[in-house]
Amino acid sequence: EVQLVESGGVVIPPGGSLRLSCAASGFTFKDYAMHWIRQAPGKGLEWVSFITWDGYSKYYADSVKGRFAISRDNTRNSLYLQMNSLRPEDTALYFCAKDGGSSSGREVDYWGQGTLVTVSS
Amino acid sequence: EIVMTQSPPTLSVSPGERATLSCRASRSVSTKLAWYQQKPGQGPRLLIYGASTRATGIPVRFSGSGSGTEFSLTISSLQSEDSAVYYCQQYNSWPPFTFGQGTKLEIK
Repeated sequence: EVQLVESGGVVIPPGGSLRLSCAASGFTFKDYAMHWIRQAPGKGLEWVSFITWDGYSKYYADSVKGRFAISRDNTRNSLYLQMNSLRPEDTALYFCAKDGGSSSGREVDYWGQGTLVTVSS
Repeated sequence: EIVMTQSPPTLSVSPGERATLSCRASRSVSTKLAWYQQKPGQGPRLLIYGASTRATGIPVRFSGSGSGTEFSLTISSLQSEDSAVYYCQQYNSWPPFTFGQGTKLEIK
């Protein structure tokens, strides 16, 4: 059974930094690309970032480019999101999500339950 | 950026009836279109990918159709557990991967 378990969400003041983690199990993690996708309270889904299976190619939404950094450790079956210069509009539930392929960008076939980041003073 | 527009925003249908949800892309996405179901307090679940292929374990009452810019998700013989928000997403032209704003399906 595929499991994606996010952690690291907290209440943090504007301008702060935070690292989210995602522990993956139930599939061969190193063979698949991964995403971070977020959902502001009461709102829809917004794609944040994508990383290929080998970690060499990374992509970001314009809203987070230059502030967030995605990474992965295939030896630990883990995905990360380093979030810097946080803004109130970054407040959201952050989902770790598995891509259906290794690098070409496909459907998201599994999602975690999310970890809540609240940016507020 | 490809903009995805879903309609209607809310749909109320009686159990046993059919529901049809629509999704339009601002330019062609071929058949690189997925549908997701999200229930309160849960992460989304993949229903359909490639515009018309059911994901693993998805009941046959869920079906997808369309190509290019016009897509639909049909749920035949609605059941109470189908009450949820449904999202479409394109993965043809990225970044960014883009989602529709969602359709909330209510079962009367």
